[in-house]
Amino acid sequence: GENVEQHPSTLSVQEGDSAVIKCTYSDSASNYFPWYKQELGKGPQLIIDIRSNVGEKKDQRIAVTLNKTAKHFSLHITETQPEDSAVYFCAARGGGTSYGKLTFGQGTILTVHP
Amino acid sequence: DTGVSQDPRHKITKRGQNVTFRCDPISEHNRLYWYRQTLGQGPEFLTYFQNEAQLEKSRLLSDRFSAERPKGSFSTLEIQRTEQGDSAMYLCASSSPSGEKLFFGSGTQLSVL
Repeated sequence: GENVEQHPSTLSVQEGDSAVIKCTYSDSASNYFPWYKQELGKGPQLIIDIRSNVGEKKDQRIAVTLNKTAKHFSLHITETQPEDSAVYFCAARGGGTSYGKLTFGQGTILTVHP
Repeated sequence: DTGVSQDPRHKITKRGQNVTFRCDPISEHNRLYWYRQTLGQGPEFLTYFQNEAQLEKSRLLSDRFSAERPKGSFSTLEIQRTEQGDSAMYLCASSSPSGEKLFFGSGTQLSVL
């Protein structure tokens, strides 16, 4: 089955700096890669996603890049704000698996200092 | 609120007791998923419904776990004879018929003493 590794496990930045979180996956047939933000006591919230036929996608301060050859994808947050502080999870859907069957990374605790 | 709703938010039970959780998906979503999340880990897939049919179950879903979605709307997840290792956040998610985006509820935090 699919395996997703996420790094770093913790990330601390100053407000206004950029933050980058990286994930690698094992199944070369994986075709969908969402990113979720989880705040304390809440469920994961989808913030951006990318399909395997796209190399990059951007939504305001958030961008995701995908390198299919290397089997890794990254989340980029620019101009970070204290409200960006949360746990971020990457996920992948393996080839031939059900639509909603995602394999998640271990999470990155992002702290943005004012 | 038109998001995914889960009840209860917290459940404390003693080992050996049975517990049941409920999930109400977004109204137009016909696909419903259960995930489990332990502290410091990402969510893990448990099972998936399309309408009332349970189409896939993870090996994580032991015989003590049963999920239902009788009318293709809300779903329940029951754990029988709970064990301390069942302590986790149980998350429900839903997606539309044509969509692959999963929308999660706030989860039910289970503590087994």
